[in-house]
Amino acid sequence: AQKITQTQPGMFVQEKEAVTLDCTYDTSDPSYGLFWYKQPSSGEMIFLIYQGSYDQQNATEGRYSLNFQKARKSANLVISASQLGDSAMYFCAMRGVDNYGQNFVFGPGTRLSVLP
Amino acid sequence: DSGVTQTPKHLITATGQRVTLRCSPRSGDLSVYWYQQSLDQGLQFLIQYYNGEERAKGNILERFSAQQFPDLHSELNLSSLELGDSALYFCASSVEGFGDRETQYFGPGTRLLVL
Repeated sequence: AQKITQTQPGMFVQEKEAVTLDCTYDTSDPSYGLFWYKQPSSGEMIFLIYQGSYDQQNATEGRYSLNFQKARKSANLVISASQLGDSAMYFCAMRGVDNYGQNFVFGPGTRLSVLP
Repeated sequence: DSGVTQTPKHLITATGQRVTLRCSPRSGDLSVYWYQQSLDQGLQFLIQYYNGEERAKGNILERFSAQQFPDLHSELNLSSLELGDSALYFCASSVEGFGDRETQYFGPGTRLLVL
C-alpha cells in the first residue's frame, strides 16, 4: 500500500527566509508522481508542483522547488523567500497504481506559519 | 480559480437525512474524483469516475454513492447521515484520469455539517 508521511505537524519561518517541508513516501509502484498542494485557511486546495519518479531534474515552479531523493523516498518542498501569504497547510500527495486502480494518497499535512 | 465548481458551498442537515453534492469539472477534463476531509481522518479519497464510468474506489462508505453524467458533471449522494459525516467534501478533476503525471485540480469544496 502507498503511504505518505509528513513528520512536521507545524513549522514557523520568518518572512523572506526559505523553508523546507518534509515528505517521505512508500510505494512499490515502479512509476509514480509526487504532488504538493497548498490549503489556505479559506479551504481550497491549490496545486503547487509535480515531480515524476523518472524525472531527471528536480521540479521548480517559481518560488517552489522540490528536493527529490528517490533512493531515500523523499520529496521535500522548498519555499524560497517566504511571504505572509504562504501561511497555510501544505499536503504532499502521491499517485501510482494499487489494487484498486489509480489512486491518490495524501499525507497528513504540515501547517506553515510565516512570521513578519 | 481552478475551474472546478462545486455546489452548494455549505450544507447543514440533520442525522438520518440524505444530501446531494454537485461538481462540474474543468472544461475538457474527463475524470472526476471525490474526497472527504475531516479533522480526524485527514484527506481521504472516496471515488473516481472517468467519462461516466467508475474508475477507482477508495474509502467510500456503502451509504455514499456517486455518479458521473453524460455532460461530465458528477454528484455525490450521502444518505443516512451521521454526525461523523460532517466534513469538507472536495471534488477534483483531471484530463484523463490515469497515469502518474495526471494533476488533479480541486474545487472549492462543500462544507457539510450534520446536526
